[in-house]
Amino acid sequence: EVRVLESGGGLVQPGGSLRLSCAASGFALSSYAMHWVRQAPGKGLEWVSGLSDRGGTYYADSVRGRFSISRDTSKNSLYLQMNSLRAEDTAVYYCARGDGEVEKWGQGTLVTVSS
Amino acid sequence: QLVLTQSPSASASPGASVKLTCTLSSEHSNYAIAWHQQQPEKGPRFLMRLNGDGSHNKGDGIPDRFSGSSSGAERYLIISSLQSEDEADYYCQTWGTAINWVFGGGTKVTVL
Repeated sequence: EVRVLESGGGLVQPGGSLRLSCAASGFALSSYAMHWVRQAPGKGLEWVSGLSDRGGTYYADSVRGRFSISRDTSKNSLYLQMNSLRAEDTAVYYCARGDGEVEKWGQGTLVTVSS
Repeated sequence: QLVLTQSPSASASPGASVKLTCTLSSEHSNYAIAWHQQQPEKGPRFLMRLNGDGSHNKGDGIPDRFSGSSSGAERYLIISSLQSEDEADYYCQTWGTAINWVFGGGTKVTVL
């Protein structure tokens, strides 16, 4: 069964850092484009970052220069390093697979940025 | 700029049909999209990919009650025989030439 499972969320102070992880099972993560999508409380879905199967990285303007996406093929895992966090980064962060359409979503991990 | 526009809400009675609309920006009218369902307090679920010619491919386990169609820049999600569990937010999503995704604002469906 194809699954993705996020972890690493929590409470962090403004200006702090956090690293999210996404463990993939049932498929080779390196064969697909993988993404992070977030949803602020009571709001819609917002694409954050993507990593192509060839290793190219892409970011939304709102996070470029602060967030970094990467993968570890030996662990079949995707990561999102989040630095200089702001209150507006508070959201549930979803890991998702898809070269075009989102084929598979994770259940999400909550990140709260607050003092 | 690649933009998707959705109406904020829709409603219908149990057993009825509801048709949701997602409109692509005019210069992207031939793009494919995907529809996703998000039930209350849950993560999103992939429903289907919908092409500009109206052909669609549904995700695993998606009931036949869910179908899609296209007309020009508009992409539709039709839910027939509406059930209480269909009460959810529905998002359309598309993708550009680079690895980036665009989401519509979502439509909240209420089962009366």
